[in-house]
Amino acid sequence: EADIYQTPRYLVIGTGKKITLECSQTMGHDKMYWYQQDPGMELHLIHYSYGVNSTEKGDLSSESTVSRIRTEHFPLTLESARPSHTSQYLCASSERQGSYEQYFGPGTRLTVT
Amino acid sequence: KNQVEQSPQSLIILEGKNCTLQCNYTVSPFSNLRWYKQDTGRGPVSLTIMTFSENTKSNGRYTATLDADTKQSSLHITASQLSDSASYICVVSDRGSTLGRLYFGRGTQLTVWP
Repeated sequence: EADIYQTPRYLVIGTGKKITLECSQTMGHDKMYWYQQDPGMELHLIHYSYGVNSTEKGDLSSESTVSRIRTEHFPLTLESARPSHTSQYLCASSERQGSYEQYFGPGTRLTVT
Repeated sequence: KNQVEQSPQSLIILEGKNCTLQCNYTVSPFSNLRWYKQDTGRGPVSLTIMTFSENTKSNGRYTATLDADTKQSSLHITASQLSDSASYICVVSDRGSTLGRLYFGRGTQLTVWP
């Protein structure tokens, strides 16, 4: 059982609001990731981090930002939410070395009205 | 272009029956292939992971096969249960970058009826 947590699980918010999606893991993993997934579609990588103070943008352009101040914590922030941001956001982590097995959190379902 | 294609898109079977899901990929250079199970509203959970040298791997009632020459994989589910209803996602990793980039299929939505 992977120890990776996301809060909130569901969020409905109005346009223009600032939101932060939380992700934390207790496995001591160096690598962490944020994916965006629309219904029936594949996961798209939007941000990743190799470790503390390391963040990179993924393949899918996103208006969100991330930070990695602590190994276990990788929050994602939207400064001004829009209806186009409505999606499921999944956080994952993996060890720096090894098989690159990624462990996923339960996801946050975001709806922007 | 690196891609992962899965078929069928959706599948309905009766409880107790077997089924096989397919995955074709064009990812190169290949590192490993994983099958994940994703319940509705949850994150994906790993079922199997296979490297280039492995052609079959089992996890309980789940058996994955890999043909690296034809770039095809299958996931066979034996004696299906209602709890098997989920999306099954094929994911291929390349070894062309330190990140170990993952390429995701869109998944096969499996529904098991009683």
